[in-house]
Amino acid sequence: AQKVTQAQTEISVVEKEDVTLDCVYETRDTTYYLFWYKQPPSGELVFLIRRNSFDEQNEISGRYSWNFQKSTSSFNFTITASQVVDSAVYFCALRGSGNTPLVFGKGTRLSVIA
Amino acid sequence: GAVVSQHPSRVICKSGTSVKIECRSLDFQATTMFWYRQFPKQSLMLMATSNEGSKATYEQGVEKDKFLINHASLTLSTLTVTSAHPEDSSFYICSAREATSYNEQFFGPGTRLTVL
Repeated sequence: AQKVTQAQTEISVVEKEDVTLDCVYETRDTTYYLFWYKQPPSGELVFLIRRNSFDEQNEISGRYSWNFQKSTSSFNFTITASQVVDSAVYFCALRGSGNTPLVFGKGTRLSVIA
Repeated sequence: GAVVSQHPSRVICKSGTSVKIECRSLDFQATTMFWYRQFPKQSLMLMATSNEGSKATYEQGVEKDKFLINHASLTLSTLTVTSAHPEDSSFYICSAREATSYNEQFFGPGTRLTVL
């Protein structure tokens, strides 16, 4: 079974601070995919990144960066120089091999205060 | 990227009535569709998986007679909440995947159901 743990329920930071959202996953599949989504107050999920299990390269996209470490089964997400518009709920998700659904973590609610 | 639409975006109904939510893949053929439910301040919980032309597979604890899912075409899936009650009030999100790429799962904007 797939499982995703986001231990941080809520985080509050002041604008321009860096913040890291943690994600730990469990799977028995050797091939799997990890995702991060942003859910603003409107509710619509915004896709941020997908990583497959064979690609441990860290990725940077603007102020966003992701650190994938198979050794610790973690896929952490860092926002650099946070902005008020980053305030949202962030979900980490996992999908195993084959035509299986995404399994979501409980989400981390990020509040960036001006 | 591919687009998934949902209709309606919001619906308010009286207790005991049935509500149908449509999910459409606009520019691709969705061989598999997933329905999720999200209660306030909680995560997305998978309700069911449906493959076009087949009966939906429901997750444990989800009543198949209450949440009727029909995936009759490659671009349309419907979720009908039958005899809705206030505890069914939630945010329902559909997601679609095409056969050529299991990597991609596209999400609709969600439907907020309020049962009075």
